[in-house]
Amino acid sequence: GAGVSQSPRYKVAKRGQDVALRCDPISGHVSLFWYQQALGQGPEFLTYFQNEAQLDKSGLPSDRFFAERPEGSVSTLKIQRTQQEDSAVYLCASSLTGQGLYGYTFGSGTRLTVV
Amino acid sequence: AQSVSQHNHHVILSEAASLELGCNYSYGGTVNLFWYVQYPGQHLQLLLKYFSGDPLVKGIKGFEAEFIKSKFSFNLRKPSVQWSDTAEYFCAVNPSGGYNKLIFGAGTRLAVHP
Repeated sequence: GAGVSQSPRYKVAKRGQDVALRCDPISGHVSLFWYQQALGQGPEFLTYFQNEAQLDKSGLPSDRFFAERPEGSVSTLKIQRTQQEDSAVYLCASSLTGQGLYGYTFGSGTRLTVV
Repeated sequence: AQSVSQHNHHVILSEAASLELGCNYSYGGTVNLFWYVQYPGQHLQLLLKYFSGDPLVKGIKGFEAEFIKSKFSFNLRKPSVQWSDTAEYFCAVNPSGGYNKLIFGAGTRLAVHP
């Protein structure tokens, strides 16, 4: 597609529920990133994939967060047993090359609200 | 810890006024620097970036930024703002040679009144 597509756009989850957030990067993009943006804050890095390899997951806040990109294209960010502090916008970005800085394209994000 | 500070959380200007948004970072090594913009209801878009060379970088829509290494700063400027510049602006840093991740500031929300 023309851009990075994320679904759903909005998700309301009850505390303790598991959620899965999807990211469709631009076709052929090697690098894929997930960021978390809390209200009033800038995006914070969660994890980075180069093709199907997860090269950096240092930003995942707890072991309840898990990301995968099994075929090197679509990625899923899963949050288990959601907590209120998980409420945020989750942003996905992709880049053509392994050097992700040359042309980062962001999706519109998934706004997660945990009630 | 590495961090990025944006001095103003909210800025209100009239059309044709000049704009300068401050950005300072804390990192001692070589860095790559970025400004992103998020228009209402839209996704983050790259405004400009600095990797090396001329410290005065020109971006889209008449924006520019100056890298001052001695001050650890990368301030964004525009001589004359328009109503359509109303948006949130984020400064971001990537420590060169590190992971490909970006470290963002908290953002500055700009409102331009006609």
